Formats: sequence, structure tokens, C-alpha cells
Amino acid sequence: KAGVTQTPRYLIKTRGQQVTLSCSPISGHRSVSWYQQTPGQGLQFLFEYFSETQRNKGNFPGRFSGRQFSNSRSEMNVSTLELGDSALYLCASSLASGRREDTQYFGPGTRLTVL
Amino acid sequence: SQQGEEDPQALSIQEGENATMNCSYKTSINNLQWYRQNSGRGLVHLILIRSNEREKHSGRLRVTLDTSKKSSSLLITASRAADTASYFCATGLSSGGSYIPTFGRGTSLIVHP
Repeated sequence: KAGVTQTPRYLIKTRGQQVTLSCSPISGHRSVSWYQQTPGQGLQFLFEYFSETQRNKGNFPGRFSGRQFSNSRSEMNVSTLELGDSALYLCASSLASGRREDTQYFGPGTRLTVL
Repeated sequence: SQQGEEDPQALSIQEGENATMNCSYKTSINNLQWYRQNSGRGLVHLILIRSNEREKHSGRLRVTLDTSKKSSSLLITASRAADTASYFCATGLSSGGSYIPTFGRGTSLIVHP
């Protein structure tokens, strides 16, 4: 099976712009989660989508949003970019079987730089 | 706040030596997972240990779990230069019917050839 793919891999934006990142999960995986990784804050959970619905949300401002399509592909959007949004954005998919042992499979990430 | 915290933050060893990383967490867990991340890339799942297990092996990896001390350790035996990466522990947080792992800040391992 193909792994989790994320596009684009690298992105440079300026403050105030908005950005959309895309994630394609492993075939058959129904849950997609997004994480922000920065040197200062480490890996922080943004949100999780399951069956096109946001099931969980981390502690991020409303500028961060996402959605999931019927084929489980997901996008996240960041509006009004700030310098502090520069980070590696990771997407992870899982079967979401309901067991408490779901393993998350991560994509390679999108490196966002805000100038 | 981070549920798991790895220790040490950084570890530098020679090829062939063993590397031990520790993880402490705060609340009760159902399981604990270890992940590896090569520089600037995604995370790779290494191993999962359940709360009723004390030790688990996978190849050159050995993971222990002490729920009374709320801690886990990851041992990499006979390390190789290719093991150079950051290692994260993740503890499960069940919320809204799903299972969201919470990651620590990681241990950066450098294995010198």
C-alpha cells in the first residue's frame, strides 16, 4: 500500500496570506490527524477528522481549520499567516477501528515558512 | 501540555554501543508507543506496549514499561549510524471516541560511525 502523502512538501508564504495543505491517507484509513511541529513547542495536535467530521480539536486559534472529503483525503487551511506559524505540518492516518491501539502512520510533512 | 517527556534530550554514542532513552508520563495510560523521526521527516511507528505488559522486543529494540513509576524506556542495542534520529514516546489520550496520542519533545540520538 502507498503511504501517507502530503503536498506540497515545501511552502514559503508571507505574513497575512493564507495556505492550504493537503493530505492523502493510506487506503482504507478513515481517520486523519494533523500536527504542528516546531523546535520550541514540539509536536502539537491540531485536529482529527473522521468520516468528514472533525472529531477532536487541539488548542489552536480559529485561523487553523480543516476538512475531510468523502475519500478520506484531508486539507488544512491556515488564514492570516503569522511568523509563528512557520513549522513542519504533519498529517497522520489510522484505521480508526475504535480500539485504543490505533497506530498512526505519518506522512513526510509540509515545511511551511512564513516570511 | 506534553503528556510524555523523554530523557535525555540528546544522546551521542559510537556505533555498536547501546542507546537508552526514557519517557515519563503523568496520567494513567492504556498503552505507550515509541516513534522515530529522521531529520525533518515524518514519524515512523516503532513499537507499542500495553499497560499490562512489562517488556517488549522488536529486533534490536527493547521497550520496558513501569506503570507504578509512570515511565518507559527504549533500548536500542548494537546501534548503527542509520539509527541517528529523534525518538518520541506517545501516550494515548482517548477523547470523543478516538485515540489521540500525545507526544513528548523527543530524544535526539546521534550515532557516530
